[in-house]
Amino acid sequence: AQSVSQHNHHVILSEAASLELGCNYSYGGTVNLFWYVQYPGQHLQLLLKYFSGDPLVKGIKGFEAEFIKSKFSFNLRKPSVQWSDTAEYFCAVKPDNYGQNFVFGPGTRLSVLP
Amino acid sequence: NAGVMQNPRHLVRRRGQEARLRCSPMKGHSHVYWYRQLPEEGLKFMVYLQKENIIDESGMPKERFSAEFPKEGPSILRIQQVVRGDSAAYFCASSPLPLDQGRELFFGEGSRLTVL
Repeated sequence: AQSVSQHNHHVILSEAASLELGCNYSYGGTVNLFWYVQYPGQHLQLLLKYFSGDPLVKGIKGFEAEFIKSKFSFNLRKPSVQWSDTAEYFCAVKPDNYGQNFVFGPGTRLSVLP
Repeated sequence: NAGVMQNPRHLVRRRGQEARLRCSPMKGHSHVYWYRQLPEEGLKFMVYLQKENIIDESGMPKERFSAEFPKEGPSILRIQQVVRGDSAAYFCASSPLPLDQGRELFFGEGSRLTVL
């Protein structure tokens, strides 16, 4: 079945550690790719997105992601996390020929210890 | 700076009752999407509406669930005769145009339904 997977359910890091959250999808063809973040008690916010062009995308708050088409991946990275990055992170895919909705991964909970 | 507004934020219902969840999209947005998040799962698409029209309801359960987006007023997700399995967070999102060419969804804070 076509889907979006995120490798880690829960990641625990200390402040200043580097972060990489995996995201893989199984759709062929052209896709738009997104990372959303949900801080505790808040709505989902867009961190970054890939539509076309440079596969290395920079987002807000020092996050970046790299689209590797051959691996069907869109991993999220941050070189040095802060306690305030504690949140749930969702990868989302919008395949071009899949109607008007996003397909979300199950989410990765990040806990950053001070 | 009014974003997507959902209410109620929390709703408790007993089995067999009806639940109504409301969503006011961002100003200028005429496309509304409802997603459901079950515990330990990601967001699952339910329905996509434009003013007065249901465009895609492929993710809606066939029974007890309905959605509308009238010409005036918020979009409403209605769940009749709720069961415990309906307990979830229901998120509304909106966009100003169809989701092509990298356009993003703007989300509300969600409505958490608990069925006793």
